[in-house]
This record gives sequence, C-alpha cells and structure tokens, in this order.
Amino acid sequence: DIQMTQSPSTLSASVGDRVTITCRASQSINDWLAWYQQKPGKAPKLLISKASSLQRGVPSRFSGSGSGTEFTLTISSLQPDDFATYYCQQYKSHSVTFGQGTKVDLK
Amino acid sequence: EVQLVQSGAGVKKPGESLRIYCKASGYSFTSYWVAWVRQRPGKGLEWMGVVYPGDSDTRYSPSFQGQVTMSVDKSVKTVHLQWSSLKASDTAMYYCARVLTGTLDASDVWGQGTMVIVSS
Repeated sequence: DIQMTQSPSTLSASVGDRVTITCRASQSINDWLAWYQQKPGKAPKLLISKASSLQRGVPSRFSGSGSGTEFTLTISSLQPDDFATYYCQQYKSHSVTFGQGTKVDLK
Repeated sequence: EVQLVQSGAGVKKPGESLRIYCKASGYSFTSYWVAWVRQRPGKGLEWMGVVYPGDSDTRYSPSFQGQVTMSVDKSVKTVHLQWSSLKASDTAMYYCARVLTGTLDASDVWGQGTMVIVSS
C-alpha cells in the first residue's frame, strides 16, 4: 500500500492566519491526490481533487499544490468555519489510502 | 439534488450479521462507482472498496477483502454493505461516497454515515 503521511497532526492557529498542511506519499502518485475537510459528527467534504483542482463552491482561500510525493493544502486566511480536521487521499493505486488527518484548532 | 442517504444506526452482538444501505438520488445511479469508507471512533478514514451499480463489479481493499460484501439493488438505486459475522472491531461509522470518475478518483458526494456498534 502507498502510505500517506500528513504533518502536522495538530495545528493551532488564529482567524486570519495563513495555514499550510503537508501530505507526503511513500511513492510517486503523480497528481492523484484529494483533500477533504471533516467537522465533528459530519461526513467528509471534498475540497480539492487532482492535487490542485478546487471543487465548485469551495472558497478560493483554499488551494492545493504539489505532485509526485509532496503536496500541500493552503488556507490563505483562516476563517471561523475552517476549524476542522483535514485529510489527504491518494487514488493512484487500487488500494486507496488516506493520511492520518490534521486537526486545525483555535490558538 | 445529488444525494446519498444511508440507513440508520445499528447495534449488534458479535457473530451476528448486518446489512446497511446507501440510497442514491439526483444522478445516473448506474454511471458512477460508489465507495465505502470506515471511520472508527476518534480515528481516521479507511477506504474499504468500491462497487459499480452498472454491473455490480466490486474492488475491495486487501484489508477488507473477505470481511465484508458490497452489493447493488438497481431497482431501488441502492448499494449495500454486509457482514456475515460481526466483530467488536467492526464498531465504526461507515460512509458511502460517490466516486467522481471511474474506479479511482476522489469522492464528491457523501452519505451522512451509518454508525455500527458491535457489543456483547
């Protein structure tokens, strides 16, 4: 299986901060990577697919970049609605795998 | 509106069987693969596999192969996830999710989740 490692596991930030989450793959996945946001008690929400393609309706403060083995999710100016857990997902191999998650909480 | 609606929570004893469902609406049901994802309490997301409503083709994660069965009922636009003998370690929230394109892609529409509790 392709292992996905996110860092940090927890990130404490304030409203207005620029936030960056990193996801590393154990082998190249080209750009077959998605980012999801999950709030407590809710299903995950797709933010970005194919490493950098923003889903319709997702605010433009979210952006994704990277290819190969290293990827980033950036929130340009953190808003109150953005406090949540974020997961990356690789879908290059038929054993799809997720990162362990990054919780963004209030500093 | 594109929607996936899942069955309600279930409480079972170890060794019992269970089938949960995910009902699709608002899109061409037979044109998209549907994935199942497990989330144990307080833990991350685990991809279990996918099923194609068009012809009931399935692809399981090696971790879940032989542990669960995914199936389709086209007449009611529903996919099922089934266990023949539950274990306590199956206690989790289970999500169904539509796969954007083909078997391998991100999932753009998610069900609300079905909580399964296995306890003696």
